[in-house]
Amino acid sequence: KQEVTQIPAALSVPEGENLVLNCSFTDSAIYNLQWFRQDPGKGLTSLLLIQSSQREQTSGRLNASLDKSSGRSTLYIAASQPGDSATYLCAVATGGGNKLTFGTGTQLKVEL
Amino acid sequence: DAGITQSPRHKVTETGTPVTLRCHQTENHRYMYWYRQDPGHGLRLIHYSYGVKDTDKGEVSDGYSVSRSKTEDFLLTLESATSSQTSVYFCAIRRGQREETQYFGPGTRLLVL
Repeated sequence: KQEVTQIPAALSVPEGENLVLNCSFTDSAIYNLQWFRQDPGKGLTSLLLIQSSQREQTSGRLNASLDKSSGRSTLYIAASQPGDSATYLCAVATGGGNKLTFGTGTQLKVEL
Repeated sequence: DAGITQSPRHKVTETGTPVTLRCHQTENHRYMYWYRQDPGHGLRLIHYSYGVKDTDKGEVSDGYSVSRSKTEDFLLTLESATSSQTSVYFCAIRRGQREETQYFGPGTRLLVL
């Protein structure tokens, strides 16, 4: 059974800092890996998707990497802003992409 | 905005009553999903559909049934609601060039008393 772990569970940083969020998974036979953002009381917003054959994806200030062999992904956020404050979720897809297994998230607070 | 709506957005019900949640999409996507989100468990897949009348179970399907009679609607039914089904329920669809990215609706908060 696939298990996904995100560390740390919570993180507080000053504005402008670069930061890394970690995601690890137990079964390397994945279809893809997706990073989401969730604001309090809201749905999930897709940030980045990395195919199983890819090593990284970039979107603006966000960069996600994937190391399937070690079962790890990182989400790098450059020059953090208060608007980045949210919970970040990592999800690993198996079963042809139909079964997403989520981590419990990292709650990020970026302070002025 | 992935064109997904969920109804109702909030519901309070009593143990033992049937409850149906609706997910509606406007973009004719083939794949639709139901998840529940609980503190300490993250999001977990309940059921999914890969076409009209084609559905399959997820990780936590016990106590839930689904139906998809039209492409645009995916219904989740709790036949006899229990307090353990108090949760936030999210619907999702797959879209993108290779239908790989999942996009989520706004959620339904269900409280079972």
